[in-house]
Amino acid sequence: QKEVEQNSGPLSVPEGAIASLNCTYSDRVSQSFFWYRQYSGKSPELIMSIYSNGDKEDGRFTAQLNKASQYVSLLIRDSQPSDSATYLCAASRRALTFGSGTRLQVQP
Amino acid sequence: EPEVTQTPSHQVTQMGQEVILRCVPISNHLYFYWYRQILGQKVEFLVSFYNNEISEKSEIFDDQFSVERPDGSNFTLKIRSTKLEDSAMYFCASSETGLAGETQYFGPGTRLLVL
Repeated sequence: QKEVEQNSGPLSVPEGAIASLNCTYSDRVSQSFFWYRQYSGKSPELIMSIYSNGDKEDGRFTAQLNKASQYVSLLIRDSQPSDSATYLCAASRRALTFGSGTRLQVQP
Repeated sequence: EPEVTQTPSHQVTQMGQEVILRCVPISNHLYFYWYRQILGQKVEFLVSFYNNEISEKSEIFDDQFSVERPDGSNFTLKIRSTKLEDSAMYFCASSETGLAGETQYFGPGTRLLVL
């Protein structure tokens, strides 16, 4: 059974703070991991992908992967109200297995 | 920027009716997917399609579902006899080659309501 687990939240942070989102996965065969952002009623929008252990930075976003612990995280620096959304973690062999998402609220 | 498109955006149908959801993947992409998201639940994989055949399917994708690439641009999901529990958002996605770990680009979705 392939599972991706996320805390549903909501995670509430003040504007300008760092938001930290976490995800664990059960399928050790999964090699690729993705963070998608989903606004209410909209489709998932890719933020970042990560394939190797360690950190990967893209602008205000940093993804971290630890395959030994089967753990993926996403840090959002200088959080903005527009970052308020549900963040979906996904693991992939080919088809994506999604977590249930963490709802982030950035308070102005 | 190329994008995946889906029609219709909303579909209301009666239980037992057939529905066809349509998708136009990104033009140079070879791998196509359908996912669904029941309201308030996680996005779930249904099926992947490559070279005019199903590559992988989930246990959700039973005999009432079928997929087809009727021409060079469209990719369709047919639900033969809809049930109340088929009410969900259906997302089409595509990727360039289907290699494991490749980014999948999602369409805007079709919201299906079965009454």
